[in-house]
Amino acid sequence: AQRVTQPEKLLSVFKGAPVELKCNYSYSGSPELFWYVQYSRQRLQLLLRHISRESIKGFTADLNKGETSFHLKKPFAQEEDSAMYYCALSSSYNTDKLIFGTGTRLQVFP
Amino acid sequence: NAGVTQTPKFQVLKTGQSMTLQCAQDMNHEYMSWYRQDPGMGLRLIHYSVGAGITDQGEVPNGYNVSRSTTEDFPLRLLSAAPSQTSVYFCASSPGTRSNTEAFFGQGTRLTVV
Repeated sequence: AQRVTQPEKLLSVFKGAPVELKCNYSYSGSPELFWYVQYSRQRLQLLLRHISRESIKGFTADLNKGETSFHLKKPFAQEEDSAMYYCALSSSYNTDKLIFGTGTRLQVFP
Repeated sequence: NAGVTQTPKFQVLKTGQSMTLQCAQDMNHEYMSWYRQDPGMGLRLIHYSVGAGITDQGEVPNGYNVSRSTTEDFPLRLLSAAPSQTSVYFCASSPGTRSNTEAFFGQGTRLTVV
């Protein structure tokens, strides 16, 4: 079955602390992995995708095919990082459908 | 640039009523889709379209209909609203090319069925 699992509903850290939002997936084939973010009162937007291998707002994510994971990391959290984060996947050949995890709310305290 | 526009932003329906959630995009994207967001369940795909005249079911299609007569518009119809359809609905579009797979989302429609 195709599935994205985000085990943490809520992650609370203090400003300056490292952050890791966990994402595991189950997919038969070659998936494309994404992280989407929803800030308060804003629409859902793409944060990063694994094929780009980029760092956005200090966040990085590495696709580990052996562990089927795509964890999102940031070495030093900022208060403005507080948001809802969704891990998602699609087929690398057919990107019309996204399968989302249940989301993790990140709270960064001052 | 408006991007993806959903109307209305809020709606209250009585059980059994029908209505259409509107979604329009001005980016000439081929792919459009509808999701519902429920607490603790993330976003689940209702219906999607890979181009004008082509639609298909997602994970939770029951109780909803869609059509895609133009590239720009992808309305979602609730045939006979039920309390279980109380949710936040998101429309999304994407270019549909392997080099650009980013999905762009509307601001959402919060629907309450009483």
